[in-house]
Amino acid sequence: NAGVTQTPKFQVLKTGQSMTLQCAQDMNHNSMYWYRQDPGMGLRLIYYSASEGTTDKGEVPNGYNVSRLNKREFSLRLESAAPSQTSVYFCASSKPQTSNYGYTFGSGTRLTVV
Amino acid sequence: GEDVEQSLFLSVREGDSSVINCTYTDSSSTYLYWYKQEPGAGLQLLTYIFSNMDMKQDQRLTVLLNKKDKHLSLRIADTQTGDSAIYFCAEGKASGGYNKLIFGAGTRLAVHP
Repeated sequence: NAGVTQTPKFQVLKTGQSMTLQCAQDMNHNSMYWYRQDPGMGLRLIYYSASEGTTDKGEVPNGYNVSRLNKREFSLRLESAAPSQTSVYFCASSKPQTSNYGYTFGSGTRLTVV
Repeated sequence: GEDVEQSLFLSVREGDSSVINCTYTDSSSTYLYWYKQEPGAGLQLLTYIFSNMDMKQDQRLTVLLNKKDKHLSLRIADTQTGDSAIYFCAEGKASGGYNKLIFGAGTRLAVHP
């Protein structure tokens, strides 16, 4: 049972380049999330998908787009990368009917924009 | 509003107890969580407590919840160097068909000999 898998683990982009971060979960979870983690700021929600076919903005959506490809996969796209998007990105998933509503996190993608 | 606050840093001696504190604002939160993040890794659920409980103990971990003051604490007994990590407090509830978790900024625990 792999849980939540994120690819790539590391990436360096030049300003203005685009890329897609991939996330897949094999736990049959309904909801998926994208967070960014910056020093001293904790986790900030970028976008989430409450269920297959729906996506919504979180706290810091500007500069990002998402696609809920199917129940398993939720991708995050940077159309024109900026240095301010240098961060560690985490994908997470959850199952609404679980007893504790907790999230399962991937291991992260470390992105540097130069 | 929704906000979770925790101190950013805690240093303890190996073998001592560590207490990490957290305050939250949403009195309708259903569960309160503690997540652990080791260097270079994602967040792992450490423990959680239902909002109608006062205490939960799990081996070396004790979670205390004061709902009146909206204060949550995590006590780690006999702290070891392997406990060095960032600990995130989070409050959660079902909202609009998904599980809405609000995270604190994280407390970095440093364990020294």
